[in-house]
Amino acid sequence: RKEVEQDPGPFNVPEGATVAFNCTYSNSASQSFFWYRQDCRKEPKLLMSVYSSGNEDGRFTAQLNRASQYISLLIRDSKLSDSATYLCVVNIAGGTSYGKLTFGQGTILTVHP
Amino acid sequence: EPEVTQTPSHQVTQMGQEVILRCVPISNHLYFYWYRQILGQKVEFLVSFYNNEISEKSEIFDDQFSVERPDGSNFTLKIRSTKLEDSAMYFCASNADTQYFGPGTRLTVL
Repeated sequence: RKEVEQDPGPFNVPEGATVAFNCTYSNSASQSFFWYRQDCRKEPKLLMSVYSSGNEDGRFTAQLNRASQYISLLIRDSKLSDSATYLCVVNIAGGTSYGKLTFGQGTILTVHP
Repeated sequence: EPEVTQTPSHQVTQMGQEVILRCVPISNHLYFYWYRQILGQKVEFLVSFYNNEISEKSEIFDDQFSVERPDGSNFTLKIRSTKLEDSAMYFCASNADTQYFGPGTRLTVL
């Protein structure tokens, strides 16, 4: 089983659409969870951390279900600039993000006019 | 905003040659990392470095790889004898509370 598994995509949506990405992780000792975004041939950039209580940042909402080892990202009112690869990322180090990050394969999102 | 920087942006080398990839982490960060991403594949952890020593390394990080922080500013990744399969993007990252990634070095081994 892959350590971090994501919807393969690609997702092609019109501007203004709502799109949801799912991710599962295999290591129950995982402590920190993130969504990163990666533009073509660029570095991963942190989009948001994911907390058990769920968290929202503007149009982006992230959820974590530790019992199911499941993470989600919801993007509302999609913009053309949201087109990118979205990476589900997990860290096992206890309580901090100082340990290695384990990345999913990524889900490609294309938002079209 | 402080950034992680990496040089060169693109390195082309012949198989069997040594390469050194350079990174300047964010100045007050204490944890440093190298990751790689083969074209079309996921980002993979190579090594983490703290207090002038390796804190964790992956199976990929074999005896051909080494890291160094030679001068308190730069953080380098050396590949002693490159193979074709070392062709990838290599990302440096540094961490205070979140890992910030540099723009990467594209290594092409011919």
